[in-house]
Amino acid sequence: GDSVTQMEGPVTLSEEAFLTINCTYTATGYPSLFWYVQYPGEGLQLLLKATKADDKGSNKGFEATYRKETTSFHLEKGSVQVSDSAVYFCAQYNTDKLIFGTGTRLQVFP
Amino acid sequence: DAGVTQSPTHLIKTRGQHVTLRCSPISGHKSVSWYQQVLGQGPQFIFQYYEKEERGRGNFPDRFSARQFPNYSSELNVNALLLGDSALYLCASSLRTGGKNTEAFFGQGTRLTVV
Repeated sequence: GDSVTQMEGPVTLSEEAFLTINCTYTATGYPSLFWYVQYPGEGLQLLLKATKADDKGSNKGFEATYRKETTSFHLEKGSVQVSDSAVYFCAQYNTDKLIFGTGTRLQVFP
Repeated sequence: DAGVTQSPTHLIKTRGQHVTLRCSPISGHKSVSWYQQVLGQGPQFIFQYYEKEERGRGNFPDRFSARQFPNYSSELNVNALLLGDSALYLCASSLRTGGKNTEAFFGQGTRLTVV
């Protein structure tokens, strides 16, 4: 069935380091892909999205490119900040529902 | 504009009890979905409602039910609570259902603890 797999955390980085969080998916058809972020004690916030192959979603310095050939949607940021510390979820939207990965916790230290 | 609002924010119930969770979508949004997020996991789809009709159901037992009202708000009901029902319940609203550009906006969630 359709699924999303993302790298396990926690990912621990120093401020201004480069971030990559890997995400791959299996899907029937061509889903839309999303990254959501969850700060402690809060719900999910949409970070970025891409709806078709080779689309690049970007927001707040984060980027991810929809790679159909590798079924991937890796999240990247060139220089992380302490305020980026949160749990990041990769998701696909297919047949009227979101399918999420298990989440990757990012911890950024000054 | 107000975002997605859920109530209550927290509650504690005893095994075997019943619970009702409520969600008000963003104004103008006609679709509401419910997700269960167990600690340390990603959210799992429970239901989707659009224009007051159930459009999708996840792999959850019949103890879980939901409905959508004429004003597009929604309730999630869980009967005969089990310890394993302890989770964050998230409501998401979207303008419509389906389509590759559909964006879901989430509420803060209801933290349910079953003891």
